[in-house]
Amino acid sequence: NAGVTQTPKFQVLKTGQSMTLQCAQDMNHNSMYWYRQDPGMGLRLIYYSASEGTTDKGEVPNGYNVSRLNKREFSLRLESAAPSQTSVYFCASKGQTDSYNSPLHFGNGTRLTVT
Amino acid sequence: SQQGEEDPQALSIQEGENATMNCSYKTSINNLQWYRQNSGRGLVHLILIRSNEREKHSGRLRVTLDTSKKSSSLLITASRAADTASYFCATVNTGGFKTIFGAGTRLFVKA
Repeated sequence: NAGVTQTPKFQVLKTGQSMTLQCAQDMNHNSMYWYRQDPGMGLRLIYYSASEGTTDKGEVPNGYNVSRLNKREFSLRLESAAPSQTSVYFCASKGQTDSYNSPLHFGNGTRLTVT
Repeated sequence: SQQGEEDPQALSIQEGENATMNCSYKTSINNLQWYRQNSGRGLVHLILIRSNEREKHSGRLRVTLDTSKKSSSLLITASRAADTASYFCATVNTGGFKTIFGAGTRLFVKA
């Protein structure tokens, strides 16, 4: 099993450009998440999707949009990239069974630099 | 704002020694989880302790939870160079969907 797959692995954008980060999971998980990781700040939740057809804001949603395309895929879009969005972005998923006590499964991240 | 705060921020020990990391959180939780992250990789789940549990073991890992103090600790016994990584605590909110992470502890185990 591939688990959680993120594309691209690396991306450099200029300020004002847009892009979409892709995430797909093959574990039949209902819930999917986008986090960003900055040095010394751990992971911060951007958006999450508890189930197909629903999305909710996390801790730092400003400047981002998401789409839960189907049960497998959850994309993150930057409409007008800013240098403050330079970060490593992680997608994660977890199963619906016992939603409280299911662990998150992470992809390997997308490293984004905005110049 | 982040829910969990780890202490220390960084820890350097010799192989064979024990490593202890602490986590404090702010609000009521359903469970607390610990994750590990190797350099350049995603996080991997290590262990989960529910709010009604006080201690849990998994191999060389021991986790304690004190809900009255809103704190948890992760003990790695007989550490190995391969344990070198960052360790994060995370808490799950009442709805069960939001998992909020702390800033992490960087552990370096010298061979």
